[in-house]
Formats: sequence, C-alpha cells, structure tokens
Amino acid sequence: GQNIDQPTEMTATEGAIVQINCTYQTSGFNGLFWYQQHAGEAPTFLSYNVLDGLEEKGRFSSFLSRSKGYSYLLLKELQMKDSASYLCAVRGSNDYKLSFGAGTTVTVRA
Amino acid sequence: EPEVTQTPSHQVTQMGQEVILRCVPISNHLYFYWYRQILGQKVEFLVSFYNNEISEKSEIFDDQFSVERPDGSNFTLKIRSTKLEDSAMYFCASSEIAAAGTQYFGPGTRLTVL
Repeated sequence: GQNIDQPTEMTATEGAIVQINCTYQTSGFNGLFWYQQHAGEAPTFLSYNVLDGLEEKGRFSSFLSRSKGYSYLLLKELQMKDSASYLCAVRGSNDYKLSFGAGTTVTVRA
Repeated sequence: EPEVTQTPSHQVTQMGQEVILRCVPISNHLYFYWYRQILGQKVEFLVSFYNNEISEKSEIFDDQFSVERPDGSNFTLKIRSTKLEDSAMYFCASSEIAAAGTQYFGPGTRLTVL
C-alpha cells in the first residue's frame, strides 16, 4: 500500500514563496505528481517527477528524492489565486492508479 | 486544449436508486479512471479501464459498481443501488499511456444520496 503525508495547512503572503513537503512510503514507485485543487473543483495537473531532482515550470517547481521518499512543491511569487489545496499523488510500479495524500490547503494573504 | 468532460455536474438521488455518471475522456487517450472524493477527505481510486476491460479496482469498487465504454467516446460509472455513503464527488480521469502518462481529471459529478 501507499502512505503519503503532507501538512494540512500553510499560510503565506502574496509575493512570497511557499514550500509544501510530501513524504511517502510505497510498495512500488513509478512517479510522483502534484495537483492543484480549488474548492469544489477537479484536481488540475501541476507537475510530475519520476527521477531525482528538480523540475521547474514557471512559478512552480517540484523536487524528488526517491531514496528519501520525499518531494516538495515550491510556489514562487505567490498570487491570491494560488489559494487552493495542493495534492501529492504517487503512482505505483505495478499498477497505474494514483494514491493521493490528504492535501495541503494553502492560504495566500495580501 | 482538450479536456475531460463529465455529466451531470450534480445528481441527487434517493437511496436504493441506480445512477449513471458519464464521462467523455480526451479523444486520443486510451486509459480511463474513476476516483471519488467524499467531502473533506482525500481523493480515492475506484477503478481503471483499458482496452474495454477493468485493469484494476479498489476495495470500494464492489458489486454495486460497474463501468462501461458504450461507444467510442463515452465512459460511464454505474452505481446499482445507491447508499448514503456513496455521496461524494466523482471524478473521471484519462491518460494517453498508463505507465508514464499524466492523468487529467474532469470537473466531477457531485452525487448526493438522500
């Protein structure tokens, strides 16, 4: 099975940087995904890591260390619209389903 | 940009009734999924589907659930006899390839069982 942990809530100021950590313990690993979810809406794909290292996509970056079972999502130059839940999800090596963490609610304040 | 669509956006039903939730995956995608999210809880996998058959299903996906691809574009989830605890947001997702593909989610159907 998969055990995925991430903080419940984080608050940051507009224009600042926030780092959301995710740790996982899995029976197999074939990629880690970050999704953004606004309340009442669908998860929207943000980033994907399967190899160790940093993936950068505009204001969003994601890092993976497979040996540590650890990832983080870095949000830079925060905007009010970034207030949302951020979901860490792991894909297993023997199946294609995503196992999700409970999500981290980020609140951006002016 | 292509996207996954779902209908209806909201469905209210009485306990014991059958419901069918519909999805149109992205057109060149081959792998389809259903997930659900009970209010305030995490997203949970229900079932994956490829080549007209179920690839994998979770413990939640019991005999009351079924999936079908009735034609070349639709992918449906049927709940035969709904229970109160089936109330949730149901998301359809699709991916181009399974092992390395990103899953793209539809907007969801909010199911309320009374």
